Amino acid sequence: AQKITQTQPGMFVQEKEAVTLDCTYDTSDQSYGLFWYKQPSSGEMIFLIYQGSYDEQNATEGRYSLNFQKARKSANLVISASQLGDSAMYFCAMRGWGNTPLVFGKGTRLSVIA
Amino acid sequence: GAGVSQSPSNKVTEKGKDVELRCDPISGHTALYWYRQSLGQGLEFLIYFQGNSAPDKSGLPSDRFSAERTGGSVSTLTIQRTQQEDSAVYLCASSATWTGYNEQFFGPGTRLTVL
Repeated sequence: AQKITQTQPGMFVQEKEAVTLDCTYDTSDQSYGLFWYKQPSSGEMIFLIYQGSYDEQNATEGRYSLNFQKARKSANLVISASQLGDSAMYFCAMRGWGNTPLVFGKGTRLSVIA
Repeated sequence: GAGVSQSPSNKVTEKGKDVELRCDPISGHTALYWYRQSLGQGLEFLIYFQGNSAPDKSGLPSDRFSAERTGGSVSTLTIQRTQQEDSAVYLCASSATWTGYNEQFFGPGTRLTVL
């Protein structure tokens, strides 16, 4: 069974600062994928970034980077230069091999302060 | 191109009634998923369709829930004899097969309220 743990129910960050959202996972699979999704107050789920279990380099997508520490089973999301529009719920998720369903954490609500 | 669409966007029903929720995946996506997001909770997997294979129903919470996917495209999630605990946002997602990250693209959701 797979499990995602997000220990920060809520986070505050000053505009233009960097913020790290924590995510740890548990799985017995050798091959798996880790995802981060953003859910603004409008409710849509927006894909942000992906890390494969065999990827040696940390994934980056614009202002988003994923700090992947396989031995610690952590996949923290780093948002650089926070913007007011980054205020949202952030979900960490994982799946096994292929197109299997995602297992989600309970999310972290990020609030960016001007 | 068009994203995943869901209808209705909102549904209010009375306890005991049946409801049908519809999902139109992205054209060409072979995998389709239903999730449920209850107030204050994360997303809970319900059912998964992959091509012509038998669906994975392991996430359905009770036999009141069922889903079908016609012609490998549109899917309908049916909840029979609705209960108040069924109130949630029902999200549909689709993904392609073996392309890129197989990331799932989500629809806007259907907010179900059972009175």
